Amino acid sequence: SQQGEEDPQALSIQEGENATMNCSYKTSINNLQWYRQNSGRGLVHLILIRSNEREKHSGRLRVTLDTSKKSSSLLITASRAADTASYFCATIYGGATNKLIFGTGTLLAVQP
Amino acid sequence: GAVVSQHPSWVICKSGTSVKIECRSLDFQATTMFWYRQFPKQSLMLMATSNEGSKATYEQGVEKDKFLINHASLTLSTLTVTSAHPEDSSFYICSATSSRGVYEQYFGPGTRLTVT
Repeated sequence: SQQGEEDPQALSIQEGENATMNCSYKTSINNLQWYRQNSGRGLVHLILIRSNEREKHSGRLRVTLDTSKKSSSLLITASRAADTASYFCATIYGGATNKLIFGTGTLLAVQP
Repeated sequence: GAVVSQHPSWVICKSGTSVKIECRSLDFQATTMFWYRQFPKQSLMLMATSNEGSKATYEQGVEKDKFLINHASLTLSTLTVTSAHPEDSSFYICSATSSRGVYEQYFGPGTRLTVT
């Protein structure tokens, strides 16, 4: 399977704390993306980091990418209860296509 | 912009019947649409890729005769689950890309299918 893995599988923190999720993937990539999914809902695209980038910021989100280790991390700073959701990393699979392969996901619970 | 809708949002059907799920791109032309299946507390698994006007490409292990995909226009793709069984109960999500942003997929809200 080409599916990546994320850890931790579940994370529970208090509001105001930072949350870090890690993603490991198996193939060479053009880019890596992070998505958020609220329970029983569709996915929301959070951020895309290209293979030649090492770090990217978007608001309270910080993503790092280490292509030598085939890993990425998503940091959410100053978390809020509304950040409670599942977070997935995803990589493009297949050079000529844009098929996304999702990681196993991290369920984040932010306690108010 | 880049809104994708799905209909219905949830459906309950009896075993042996067929169910059609629609995926529409509302404000852009979707050159490619993807169908995913998600079981409870699991990740999304890609089922098939469809390009407008051509046959869908199915992932390994996905029965193309059971999951019929039609992408008749640049704004509409349909997934028909034929002869549904309880094990087909799942959350089905579509996504779409436009020719301008091939790396970004816009996801529909999903359809919860329950087969009794």
